[in-house]
Amino acid sequence: QVQLQQSGPGLVKSSQTLSLTCAISGDSVSNNNAAWNWIRQSPSRGLEWLGRTYYRSTWYNDYAESVKSRITINPDTCKNQFSLQLNSVTPEDTAVYYCARGERWGELGIDSWGQGTLVIVSS
Amino acid sequence: QSALTQPASVSGSPGQSITISCTGTSTDVWNYNLVSWYQQHPGKAPKLIIYEVTKRPSGVSNRFSGSKSGNTASLTISGLQAEDEADYYCCSYAGSNAFGGGTKLTVL
Repeated sequence: QVQLQQSGPGLVKSSQTLSLTCAISGDSVSNNNAAWNWIRQSPSRGLEWLGRTYYRSTWYNDYAESVKSRITINPDTCKNQFSLQLNSVTPEDTAVYYCARGERWGELGIDSWGQGTLVIVSS
Repeated sequence: QSALTQPASVSGSPGQSITISCTGTSTDVWNYNLVSWYQQHPGKAPKLIIYEVTKRPSGVSNRFSGSKSGNTASLTISGLQAEDEADYYCCSYAGSNAFGGGTKLTVL
């Protein structure tokens, strides 16, 4: 049973950097048959996939076009976790942020989710 | 704006069946059998209930079933129960995951 535990601040000021971490238990961030995603949810944008990191003999990242210039997702193999950094945030980035696991690249569904972190961006 | 179109709400009485549609395009739903469905109760994370259009993860009730025709995928819930009242989201994969806008299911 995979469990994902999120941590990070719930309040960020405009123009600053949003940073969240997702600790993994029951699986490995280096699993070459999984992808580790960040997804957010807001009333205005619904569920929005932000990006993923995955290991296939080397590390890869894919990012949504909407945030590509501002986002970084990094794996941490020592702590078995992965992180999200979103730069230059605005109130539009206010949302519940989820970390989540997908089988293979996520095409077989997102089968494990973190508890969610409400991040409010203050202007 | 969501890539996939779902009705905003559906409703049904206990014991009835309901179907939620999810309309995409020829570049996603039509072209790939990679549609998944998620159930989300208030204040909770989404839960995977259908993947690859028709498959159910272990532990998910067989009252939930999925199908696809052309560029429209559908989720059917049979024998409605009060606990099924939730939001439901479809998702298609075409290189990355794209979600529908969600459908609120009310059990009358």
